[in-house]
Amino acid sequence: KNQVEQSPQSLIILEGKNCTLQCNYTVSPFSNLRWYKQDTGRGPVSLTIMTFSENTKSNGRYTATLDADTKQSSLHITASQLSDSASYICVVGRMDSSYKLIFGSGTRLLVRP
Amino acid sequence: GAGVSQSPRYKVAKRGQDVALRCDPISGHVSLFWYQQALGQGPEFLTYFQNEAQLDKSGLPSDRFFAERPEGSVSTLKIQRTQQEDSAVYLCASSLKRVITNTGELFFGEGSRLTVL
Repeated sequence: KNQVEQSPQSLIILEGKNCTLQCNYTVSPFSNLRWYKQDTGRGPVSLTIMTFSENTKSNGRYTATLDADTKQSSLHITASQLSDSASYICVVGRMDSSYKLIFGSGTRLLVRP
Repeated sequence: GAGVSQSPRYKVAKRGQDVALRCDPISGHVSLFWYQQALGQGPEFLTYFQNEAQLDKSGLPSDRFFAERPEGSVSTLKIQRTQQEDSAVYLCASSLKRVITNTGELFFGEGSRLTVL
């Protein structure tokens, strides 16, 4: 079954600290993996997109890693800011589908001052 | 427009009422998606349009749900005889390309939050 599992479900950190969010997937055949940030009451916004051949991609203070062999990805947030408080959703695309993406349930991050 | 626009942002309906949710995708975008997002969950696929053609409606929960995109731009998601379990955020997304599962970027609207009493 094609699934995307994220951990932890929720996380609280202090402003300025780093954190790492995890994503495990069983989607096959794998095409690409995306991380989205979703602020409360807003739509998801793309942070990174990685294909099979990429194992790391950065977007400012966000760095995503991908291990296609173990089917794991992580999103590392450096020097967290209050504005990083949001849900982070891991999304995986299948090679045999031109449009259907599989979404995880997200990790809810709260950054406290 | 500059981004994907959805209206209304909030809708409260009495059980049994019909509702219509509108999505204005980014101009020129070929692909349009509707997703349903329950509280604390990730978006769930409802339906997919390529221009005006509805190529996949396998995610629509029941025949009370209907979507259209008659001229290949604006789309409407209609829910007939709403029930409490229909309460959710309905997200619309668009993409410039037909194929998005490679590296095609997907742009989301802010969503329409439906509450059925």
